[in-house]
Amino acid sequence: DQQVKQNSPSLSVQEGRISILNCDYTNSMFDYFLWYKKYPAEGPTFLISISSIKDKNEDGRFTVFLNKSAKHLSLHIVPSQPGDSAVYFCAASKLGGNTPLVFGKGTRLSVIA
Amino acid sequence: GAGVSQTPSNKVTEKGKYVELRCDPISGHTALYWYRQSLGQGPEFLIYFQGTGAADDSGLPNDRFFAVRPEGSVSTLKIQRTERGDSAVYLCASSETGVLSGNTIYFGEGSWLTVV
Repeated sequence: DQQVKQNSPSLSVQEGRISILNCDYTNSMFDYFLWYKKYPAEGPTFLISISSIKDKNEDGRFTVFLNKSAKHLSLHIVPSQPGDSAVYFCAASKLGGNTPLVFGKGTRLSVIA
Repeated sequence: GAGVSQTPSNKVTEKGKYVELRCDPISGHTALYWYRQSLGQGPEFLIYFQGTGAADDSGLPNDRFFAVRPEGSVSTLKIQRTERGDSAVYLCASSETGVLSGNTIYFGEGSWLTVV
């Protein structure tokens, strides 16, 4: 039973356009959400996070939106760059207890020049 | 070093052999995690240490898998009687404790295990 779902295994976007990666979760106890980026042969690297007290968090070209009622979050990348091509993982946890992160299966983003 | 360090980066072993994978976390991080990532999947939780003790080992798939962290820093993941299905990338991660850290964990580059 997947608690964190990324239903799009891949996404292609033109350079300069917006990339939108989606993530759904089922466990209502989750209150902290993160996005990780992974290049081939490297470990995942932290990108951006959001806690359930907010509905938006922005860091440069990256913005994460959280819709608690729909149990849905999304990552927006604007403008997309070829270096953004990677696998993006959504992860969820319960804040404050160092509980393990639960990951989705990832979405492979390809930004085409 | 500044990041999480894992050795070996690649390991090929024969079915039935014993394997050890090592993780050196970020200095000062008391929480240490092991995850496993198979092809086409996201990282799957195995075990989590808080200091020297295993706070949660619910993700270990069976008793062939064991991990230790005797001094609260370096950790070793041990796999006995390896099977072909154990082939995966084994990821180690660490984090600070406390609410302020927001549970952000930082990963190493992984140890690629291939069982032939």
